[in-house]
Amino acid sequence: KAGVTQTPRYLIKTRGQQVTLSCSPISGHRSVSWYQQTPGQGLQFLFEYFSETQRNKGNFPGRFSGRQFSNSRSEMNVSTLELGDSALYLCASSLWTGDTEAFFGQGTRLTVV
Amino acid sequence: GDSVTQMEGPVTLSEEAFLTINCTYTATGYPSLFWYVQYPGEGLQLLLKATKADDKGSNKGFEATYRKETTSFHLEKGSVQVSDSAVYFCALSDESSGDKLTFGTGTRLAVRP
Repeated sequence: KAGVTQTPRYLIKTRGQQVTLSCSPISGHRSVSWYQQTPGQGLQFLFEYFSETQRNKGNFPGRFSGRQFSNSRSEMNVSTLELGDSALYLCASSLWTGDTEAFFGQGTRLTVV
Repeated sequence: GDSVTQMEGPVTLSEEAFLTINCTYTATGYPSLFWYVQYPGEGLQLLLKATKADDKGSNKGFEATYRKETTSFHLEKGSVQVSDSAVYFCALSDESSGDKLTFGTGTRLAVRP
């Protein structure tokens, strides 16, 4: 079966712009989590959605937001982009919230110039 | 809060050498422990996991044992191959922290032919 699909794979944006990233989980998976990966901070948890509800949120400013649709697909949005938002954004899907096995997509590489 | 500490890299080994990557953790509850691997340009793949004390996770020749008394989950492989070259992340998931994954900083492994 198809894995976790993230689109687009690469993005270049200008400071101050906003961006929307998309994640399609594995079919049947209802939990989607987002992580930011940077060389300096490593992998940091952004938020988790389950059944269209945000279940958990990491320590990121309000410029970072997300949502989940009824088909479990998820989007994350970053507004007023800063240079420091340049990162690899990874999406992970699980069957349900609290499931110990998460499957990751290949990520979206965001570069802010 | 939860945290994971793993040895700094890079680790450079010759093919067929023995590999150990150390990982220790701090958690408020009873976490599940994971090793993920990231190949260049890819997302994270679950390598192995253990959900309770004294469990041993194993996959593709890699092993790690959940040691509650030393709060450790060291990754080992008896004979590494060039294809094992990647970045390895130790992680935990703790119900008391909402089941999000907390990652270590990653250890880059380079295996020479």
